[in-house]
Amino acid sequence: QKEVEQNSGPLSVPEGAIASLNCTYSDRGSQSFFWYRQYSGKSPELIMSIYSNGDKEDGRFTAQLNKASQYVSLLIRDSQPSDSATYLCAVNKAAGNKLTFGGGTRVLVKP
Amino acid sequence: GAVVSQHPSRVICKSGTSVKIECRSLDFQATTMFWYRQFPKKSLMLMATSNEGSKATYEQGVEKDKFLINHASLTLSTLTVTSAHPEDSSFYICSARGWRRAGTGELFFGEGSRLTVL
Repeated sequence: QKEVEQNSGPLSVPEGAIASLNCTYSDRGSQSFFWYRQYSGKSPELIMSIYSNGDKEDGRFTAQLNKASQYVSLLIRDSQPSDSATYLCAVNKAAGNKLTFGGGTRVLVKP
Repeated sequence: GAVVSQHPSRVICKSGTSVKIECRSLDFQATTMFWYRQFPKKSLMLMATSNEGSKATYEQGVEKDKFLINHASLTLSTLTVTSAHPEDSSFYICSARGWRRAGTGELFFGEGSRLTVL
């Protein structure tokens, strides 16, 4: 079992729709959770961080964390073509400072 | 937010040469930086953790003599790919942790360096 798992996609959504991305992790003691966006040929950029159960909203993005079920999700509302990218889920394990990344989900927003 | 700068963004070299990549934290001090490698359409693979003033910690399978890491100051870490070969061609990305509140440091990435070894 991979430590952090994501569906590789591509996840195709029409412009204006909601894109829903999921991520599961194996270490129950994980404390911090992050979503990064990576455009082709570029380095990842931080979109959201979430540390406690529940929802966290920032603009068109909402992160949801459920530690009991060991999943974290990202919703992108009113999806735009510029949102087309690979979204990486990252988890900070309880021990140490290293982030573990999922394989990423490629999102395609079609006009 | 925190800014991490990486240089060079692209480098092409001949097989057998060494290449140095610099990573700087511009507006914060980073006692720890991380070096990642990414192959096309793959996720980030952590290569090593760079610690200011001490030896780097390498992940399993990463040759420390091949990938030399130096973290001489609180704002600069360097990765040197020694005796580069075509299989070392990859996208190398550094990152540093910026602390907005204790215990929940977010990782910020440099722009990445694309290495092509001919």
